[in-house]
Amino acid sequence: EVQLVESGGGLVQPGGSLRLSCAASGFTFSSYYMAWVRQAPGKGLEWVSSLSGSGASTYYTDSVKGRLTISRDNSKNTLYLQMNSLRNEDTAIYFCAKPFRGNGDFHSWDYWGQGTLVTVSS
Amino acid sequence: EVVLTQSPATLSLSPGERATLSCRASQSVSSYLAWYQQKPGQAPRLLIYDASNRATGIPARFSGSGSGTDFTLTITSLKPEDFAVYYCQHRSSWPLTFGGGTKVEIK
Repeated sequence: EVQLVESGGGLVQPGGSLRLSCAASGFTFSSYYMAWVRQAPGKGLEWVSSLSGSGASTYYTDSVKGRLTISRDNSKNTLYLQMNSLRNEDTAIYFCAKPFRGNGDFHSWDYWGQGTLVTVSS
Repeated sequence: EVVLTQSPATLSLSPGERATLSCRASQSVSSYLAWYQQKPGQAPRLLIYDASNRATGIPARFSGSGSGTDFTLTITSLKPEDFAVYYCQHRSSWPLTFGGGTKVEIK
């Protein structure tokens, strides 16, 4: 059974840092691009970042470039999101998500974690 | 960046009725369009990928159609559990984007 479990969210001041983790199980983690998608309170979904199975290719939405860094440890089946220089507008639930197919560029997601809430506020 | 525009913003229907949701892309996304359902407090659920392919376990009352810039999600005979927010999302190029959502509410 596929499972994605996020952790690491919390309350942080503007300019602060957090690292989110997503523990994956039930599939061959290293064969899949993985993604972070966020949802601000009461708002729609926003793709944040994606990372290839090998870790060689990374993609980001413009608003987080230079501040958020996606990475993975395939030996631990874990995806990360290092969040630096946080802003109020980064406040959201952050979901990690697995694509519906591996071994290729299949960037729509059939499994999602439960999400972890990041609140940026002074 | 591909902008996805969903309409209507809200659809008020009764159980048993047919729902037709639209997603229009600002440029062609070929068939690389997905639909998701999201209920309050839950993660999104993939319904349709690549415009017309139902995801695993999705009931046949959900169907997707379209290509290029115009796409439709159809729910035949709404069940009580179908009242939710629906999002489209493309995967044709970076950055990936979502539409703003359509809320299907009980009339």
